[in-house]
Amino acid sequence: DTAVSQTPKYLVTQMGNDKSIKCEQNLGHDTMYWYKQDSKKFLKIMFSYNNKELIINETVPNRFSPKSPDKAHLNLHINSLELGDSAVYFCASSHGDRGFRRETQYFGPGTRLLVL
Amino acid sequence: GQQLNQSPQSMFIQEGEDVSMNCTSSSIFNTWLWYKQDPGEGPVLLIALYKAGELTSNGRLTAQFGITRKDSFLNISASIPSDVGIYFCAGRGGGSQGNLIFGKGTKLSVKP
Repeated sequence: DTAVSQTPKYLVTQMGNDKSIKCEQNLGHDTMYWYKQDSKKFLKIMFSYNNKELIINETVPNRFSPKSPDKAHLNLHINSLELGDSAVYFCASSHGDRGFRRETQYFGPGTRLLVL
Repeated sequence: GQQLNQSPQSMFIQEGEDVSMNCTSSSIFNTWLWYKQDPGEGPVLLIALYKAGELTSNGRLTAQFGITRKDSFLNISASIPSDVGIYFCAGRGGGSQGNLIFGKGTKLSVKP
């Protein structure tokens, strides 16, 4: 019954490795997002996809590449992991249509990434 | 770019007390949202505000969208231990689609 789910919950890896985080939503939403939360709990948007199409790409290193195989999934692939990538990554989703419902985003439980 | 100032950064209160926190923006927002994040979890939506002046309640929580559209507050009445967590405001102005900007959070601690 989970609305927005992410895997894995924890990810510990070595510098230089490539890793992926998966996200799925069963809310029927058209728009999905990736956020990064740093150690000070600051939440910042990284990417936004609407109907499998990239609509927001904030200043994020191109080592981060989102992939949306369908409306219900938005995965995040990270190449050549660096120490500074350690953070909690949250997936979120919202209705993609015009109007107020678009603004309300529902978050997944987060993936805690630790790069050693 | 747009910035959100959320205050206070942290609060330590006694169970039963009322709590108030607020956010101000450097520019006009069209939407204000309030989220709560429990340790080890993702943010959970508490209240959504879509119109200037709107006052909305959700149980013991009340939030208002400021008339100037540059601020919002969240009140929690008669706090209980499970209110502990980090509360985030989030807003969206004109421009980028669905691009929410988050405040830095208010960490609430409640002493039983």
